Amino acid sequence: EAQVTQNPRYLITVTGKKLTVTCSQNMNHEYMSWYRQDPGLGLRQIYYSMNVEVTDKGDVPEGYKVSRKEKRNFPLILESPSPNQTSLYFCASSLWGAYTDTQYFGPGTRLTVL
Amino acid sequence: GDSVTQMEGPVTLSEEAFLTINCTYTATGYPSLFWYVQYPGEGLQLLLKATKADDKGSNKGFEATYRKETTSFHLEKGSVQVSDSAVYFCALSRLLSNDYKLSFGAGTTVTVRA
Repeated sequence: EAQVTQNPRYLITVTGKKLTVTCSQNMNHEYMSWYRQDPGLGLRQIYYSMNVEVTDKGDVPEGYKVSRKEKRNFPLILESPSPNQTSLYFCASSLWGAYTDTQYFGPGTRLTVL
Repeated sequence: GDSVTQMEGPVTLSEEAFLTINCTYTATGYPSLFWYVQYPGEGLQLLLKATKADDKGSNKGFEATYRKETTSFHLEKGSVQVSDSAVYFCALSRLLSNDYKLSFGAGTTVTVRA
């Protein structure tokens, strides 16, 4: 089944404790991205990657890191999480990164930073 | 910068009622327009899209027409069902010099009562 998977689905952590949220897609998509969803703000893009070893900042990259060493994986790293990073996070992928492409979203990771 | 404005919710309807969710956008050039739907506990999935002016996207009884003159992409369904209860996001995608920019609205929560 074609899908985007994220792990973990739920995470409660404390300020400053490094964490990684994994994202993997099995559709051989070139483009992958991370979003955070906050009430009243919709989805805001954190980082994106047009292909392997190429990443770029989205609208809200502060406090996050990403890497794209393989086409299928695009982990999101929070080196020192803070409470304002409490949010619902989505990974997404699309075939070519063309502006007409459909985005395929993972199920989401709900992160709480205490 | 690019922006998407959609009507605030929540919207509560009875089954078989008519649904309209307004969406307007600000962007230069010729963006592609999308409606994504998020069912409870799930990631976003594409509902419909339109890639040029006057195109009509349709799916599952929902329709939206790309109106460049009014910069709008309103979502409509003639007879909603309880299963249409979800959060609906309007989005635009615009081609940049060497990649593209994807912007989402804040989302509209729709609840359909039996």
